[in-house]
Amino acid sequence: DIQMTQSPSSLSASVGDRVTITCRASQSISSSSNWYQQKSGKAPKLLIYAASSLQSGVPSRFSGSGSGTDFTLTISSLQPEDFATYYCQQSYSTPRTFGQGTKVEIK
Amino acid sequence: EVQLVESGGGLVQPGGSLRLSCAASGFTVSSNYMGWVRQTPGKGLEWVSVIYSGGSTFYADSVTGRFTISRDNSKNTLYLQMNNLRAEDTAVYYCARVEGAVAGAIDYWGQGILVTVSS
Repeated sequence: DIQMTQSPSSLSASVGDRVTITCRASQSISSSSNWYQQKSGKAPKLLIYAASSLQSGVPSRFSGSGSGTDFTLTISSLQPEDFATYYCQQSYSTPRTFGQGTKVEIK
Repeated sequence: EVQLVESGGGLVQPGGSLRLSCAASGFTVSSNYMGWVRQTPGKGLEWVSVIYSGGSTFYADSVTGRFTISRDNSKNTLYLQMNNLRAEDTAVYYCARVEGAVAGAIDYWGQGILVTVSS
């Protein structure tokens, strides 16, 4: 199975901050990386697919980049509703494994 | 509007069985790659099982031989039969739709249903 390793596991940030979360795959996955946001008690929500494509309805302050083994999710200006846990996932091979999550907390 | 609504969770003793259901609307289950993802505080998000549009299936090693995924096309519903349940199967289970239009990401999730295995 492909391992997806996220960093950091948690971070504290203020409203308006630029936030970057990284994800490293244990082998090359081309551009088959996705990002999800999960709020407490809710199902994950797709933000970014195919490394850099913004899912319909997702604010443009979210962006993704990377290819091969290294991927990044960036929130350009953190908003109050963005405090949540973020997960990366690879859709290159089955099982489509997830990272362990990054919790974004209020500073 | 696409919706996935799960049912069938609850408390069960070790060694017991449960069947989870996921009623879909707004699309055809048999036309999509569908599956079950579970979430625990300790292990995060984990694919449990998938069924492809052609009918072939995949199971995580941890559930192989105990869980069976299936679908009823007439009811547009996905199922997960879980037998010989263990404490480590305790989790929130999500029904998930994988969509080719978003490069194989999960574009719709159910609301999640709690399965607790305990005596």
